[in-house]
Amino acid sequence: QKEVEQDPGPLSVPEGAIVSLNCTYSNSAFQYFMWYRQYSRKGPELLMYTYSSGNKEDGRFTAQVDKSSKYISLFIRDSQPSDSATYLCAMSGNQGAQKLVFGQGTRLTINP
Amino acid sequence: GAVVSQHPSWVICKSGTSVKIECRSLDFQATTMFWYRQFPKQSLMLMATSNEGSKATYEQGVEKDKFLINHASLTLSTLTVTSAHPEDSSFYICSASPSTSGSYEQYFGPGTRLTVT
Repeated sequence: QKEVEQDPGPLSVPEGAIVSLNCTYSNSAFQYFMWYRQYSRKGPELLMYTYSSGNKEDGRFTAQVDKSSKYISLFIRDSQPSDSATYLCAMSGNQGAQKLVFGQGTRLTINP
Repeated sequence: GAVVSQHPSWVICKSGTSVKIECRSLDFQATTMFWYRQFPKQSLMLMATSNEGSKATYEQGVEKDKFLINHASLTLSTLTVTSAHPEDSSFYICSASPSTSGSYEQYFGPGTRLTVT
């Protein structure tokens, strides 16, 4: 079993839809949870960063962490074609810097 | 802020030669930098953790003599692929963690596409 599981998709939705992306994990030591967006042939871009459980909102993006269920989510409201990319969840423990364990990434396409 | 650059963005080399890839944090100091490789449509695989002024820590299965890492300053780390072979062709991405942040954020470079012929 992989430490972090993420549905690779692909996921295709119409413009304006609410998108839900999810990851599950098995390592209870993870404390830091991140979502990255990666466009084709580019490096990942940090979107959201959450420590421990709870919600965090930034514009159209909301990140949720449920440590009791070992489940994290990223919601995108009013999705735009420019949101089309691969979204990677990543997480790390609480011991110094800071090896990230990535999910497989979900390819998302927003159709105009 | 938090910009990381990589050079070159792409490189083609012949089998048996060595290639050096640079990773720079442009507007912050990074005690720790990371090197990843990524195959098409796959996630990032951590190769090694690079700490300024000390030897890199390699992940299991990564040949340290083949992938030489040097982190000579707080803004520069280099990855040298020695005696490259076609199977080393991949997308190599570095990331840097700000020294002063006290957080666990990593900022990624744009990646270097290596093709070994």
